[in-house]
Amino acid sequence: RKEVEQDPGPFNVPEGATVAFNCTYSNSASQSFFWYRQDCRKEPKLLMSVYSSGNEDGRFTAQLNRASQYISLLIRDSKLSDSATYLCVVALTDSWGKLQFGAGTQVVVTP
Amino acid sequence: GAGVSQSPSNKVTEKGKDVELRCDPISGHTALYWYRQSLGQGLEFLIYFQGNSAPDKSGLPSDRFSAERTGGSVSTLTIQRTQQEDSAVYLCASSLRSPGTSSSYNSPLHFGNGTRLTVT
Repeated sequence: RKEVEQDPGPFNVPEGATVAFNCTYSNSASQSFFWYRQDCRKEPKLLMSVYSSGNEDGRFTAQLNRASQYISLLIRDSKLSDSATYLCVVALTDSWGKLQFGAGTQVVVTP
Repeated sequence: GAGVSQSPSNKVTEKGKDVELRCDPISGHTALYWYRQSLGQGLEFLIYFQGNSAPDKSGLPSDRFSAERTGGSVSTLTIQRTQQEDSAVYLCASSLRSPGTSSSYNSPLHFGNGTRLTVT
């Protein structure tokens, strides 16, 4: 079983709609959580960190559910420029530097 | 300011040859990471440096892979006797502090553009 699992998608979303997807992690001791965005053939870039209480950054909302061991990302009012692969990233407490990346969820926003 | 710099951007090599990939992190970043990404796949952790030491080498796939970091700055990833399955994009990232620390949320990973390695 992979340590971080994501639905690969693609999620096809009409422009202006809302899309949400989850990421599950296997290690209950995981402490730090992030969403990264990766455009085609580009390097990943941090989208947002995920805090225990949930957090929002503009049209993006991230939630953490420790009991069920998943994090979620919701994108409101989708823009064409939101088309990308969204990578879930988890930091393990027993190895601070070893971030575990999910394989990503592809989002395609259509006009 | 300058981001993470990787060289070469592309490398084509023959099976069995050795290759060296270079990463120049953002100045002042203490943590440095190597990942690789095969086509259509997620990022695979290889190794992590804190300063010059490598607390976690668990991701190196075989003893043909090695990495070093000198002066707390530039790192090189060396692959000996390359195999076709080594073909991938090798990504380097740096961060000001290690993720997982209390202040890590303000210390995201900054990735370089990667080195695309093709072993023929």
